[in-house]
Amino acid sequence: NAGVTQTPKFQVLKTGQSMTLQCAQDMNHEYMSWYRQDPGMGLRLIHYSVGAGITDQGEVPNGYNVSRSTTEDFPLRLLSAAPSQTSVYFCASSYDFSGNTIYFGEGSWLTVV
Amino acid sequence: ELKVEQNPLFLSMQEGKNYTIYCNYSTTSDRLYWYRQDPGKSLESLFVLLSNGAVKQEGRLMASLDTKARLSTLHITAAVHDLSATYFCAAGETSGSRLTFGEGTQLTVNP
Repeated sequence: NAGVTQTPKFQVLKTGQSMTLQCAQDMNHEYMSWYRQDPGMGLRLIHYSVGAGITDQGEVPNGYNVSRSTTEDFPLRLLSAAPSQTSVYFCASSYDFSGNTIYFGEGSWLTVV
Repeated sequence: ELKVEQNPLFLSMQEGKNYTIYCNYSTTSDRLYWYRQDPGKSLESLFVLLSNGAVKQEGRLMASLDTKARLSTLHITAAVHDLSATYFCAAGETSGSRLTFGEGTQLTVNP
């Protein structure tokens, strides 16, 4: 099984550019989420979705957009990249949020110069 | 707002020794997760704890949850070098779908 697949794995952007981080899961999970991981700060929730067509903000949503048109996909869009968005981004999914295991993708390393 | 604190943040221990990582959370939560992360890698799920008094064990790791004290512990028994990694706890809010992570505990097991 592919599990949670993120692309790209590495990306360098210039300030002001936009891009989309892709996340797909093949486990028919309703719950999907995006986190960023910065040194010494653990993981912080950016946006999450509890099903197709439903999204909500997490702890650090500014500068990011999401949509959930299908159960399988949950892309994260950076509208105008800033150096402060240099981070490692993780996508996660779970059958629901009632206590099932939450699975993480391999991560996307983003550098904004 | 749910806050999660782990301690210690850094832990250096010798092989064969026992130690405990603590995870405190600030408001009511009915699910607590423990993850392991190796450098440059993703997060690997270790345990999901869903009720007061829950205890789960896998190999040299044992996790417990005390919802009244808002405390979860990850106990390491007879540590081996392969356990060297960063361990995260995360708590899920009771009435919602947000998961909040602790800062992580960087564990180094020395021969």
